[in-house]
Amino acid sequence: NAGVTQTPKFRVLKTGQSMTLLCAQDMNHEYMYWYRQDPGMGLRLIHYSVGEGTTAKGEVPDGYNVSRLKKQNFLLGLESAAPSQTSVYFCASSYPSGAAEAFFGQGTRLTVV
Amino acid sequence: KQEVTQIPAALSVPEGENLVLNCSFTDSAIYNLQWFRQDPGKGLTSLLLIQSSQREQTSGRLNASLDKSSGRSTLYIAASQPGDSATYLCAVGNQAGTALIFGKGTTLSVSS
Repeated sequence: NAGVTQTPKFRVLKTGQSMTLLCAQDMNHEYMYWYRQDPGMGLRLIHYSVGEGTTAKGEVPDGYNVSRLKKQNFLLGLESAAPSQTSVYFCASSYPSGAAEAFFGQGTRLTVV
Repeated sequence: KQEVTQIPAALSVPEGENLVLNCSFTDSAIYNLQWFRQDPGKGLTSLLLIQSSQREQTSGRLNASLDKSSGRSTLYIAASQPGDSATYLCAVGNQAGTALIFGKGTTLSVSS
């Protein structure tokens, strides 16, 4: 049982380059989330999705786009990377229930130079 | 806006000690509350989830309590071990259930 899998695990980008982070979950969860974790700032929500074909903005959405074309996948895109987007990115998923735990991937460490 | 605070930011204890980690939140209208563990360079592992209607949950040496009216949760770790050394994160589910709002964590070091 893989749970939540993030690809890639590490990446270095040059300023202005674009990339897509892939999140895949095999638990049939409705909800999926993208967070970023920065020293001293904790985890902050970038975007989330409550179902296939739906997305919504979180706390820090600027500079990112997302898509949820399939229920099991949630993609996070950076169109023109900036050094301020250097961070560790975590994907998570859950059922829409107060009794449901959120499960997190292992993270993607992104450096923008 | 919901804010989650964890105190202390860091804690060092000798092996075998019982300890309490604190989490406070500003808005009592929560969906649930979840405690996570994060090892350096790793992802988050769920430890305990407390639904908004519950007062506590237990798993092994861990016990988490929730007092919504006062906006507080505690994570009690009994008989601490060096393997418990990690960062512990408290996260509150927003009322719609569409986001977890995280505290900045407590970094625990247990010495043998």
